[in-house]
Amino acid sequence: EAGVAQSPRYKIIEKRQSVAFWCNPISGHATLYWYQQILGQGPKLLIQFQNNGVVDDSQLPKDRFSAERLKGVDSTLKIQPAKLEDSAVYLCASSLFGGGEYEQYFGPGTRLTVT
Amino acid sequence: AQSVSQHNHHVILSEAASLELGCNYSYGGTVNLFWYVQYPGQHLQLLLKYFSGDPLVKGIKGFEAEFIKSKFSFNLRKPSVQWSDTAEYFCAVRANAGKSTFGDGTTLTVKP
Repeated sequence: EAGVAQSPRYKIIEKRQSVAFWCNPISGHATLYWYQQILGQGPKLLIQFQNNGVVDDSQLPKDRFSAERLKGVDSTLKIQPAKLEDSAVYLCASSLFGGGEYEQYFGPGTRLTVT
Repeated sequence: AQSVSQHNHHVILSEAASLELGCNYSYGGTVNLFWYVQYPGQHLQLLLKYFSGDPLVKGIKGFEAEFIKSKFSFNLRKPSVQWSDTAEYFCAVRANAGKSTFGDGTTLTVKP
């Protein structure tokens, strides 16, 4: 079974630039998550999708971050404009459904460096 | 809001030593509890989980964790660690269908 795919794996941008990350979840998984993991901290949920609808985006900085999952499959997370504090690893995860009993499978992450 | 506290940031052990990593959470209701592991250069993966029933949960690679409700704890244990257990370990709590909250992780280094 193919895992969660993410691209790019690494990205370096200057502050105030824009950047986009792509995630393709495991086939058939209805729920998709984006996490931000700052160095030395645990992953923090940014947004959770159930199919193409948003379940939770309470921790997404909506003035600069946006995410979509238009066809209920792959997803894009965008930062516009980036700040120095956005330097982090952005993890995508998917699960069969959104309930707590369903295991989340994580992708390799995208390491973003903002200079 | 739920929160998770992992007591040790970095643990160094010799092979065959016993391991216990602490995890405490704060949340007043029913929770699901998880331990995740990230081996060097690999994805974050599930080690074990607790939903209900027996508070002693067994996971992969000989790991186990005990849920003590009165102490809001979910400590991870392994009787004898191996060099290959060197990794970062994250405790996480999830309230029903709510979001998962992760601790800041514990880096385990096992010396051969």
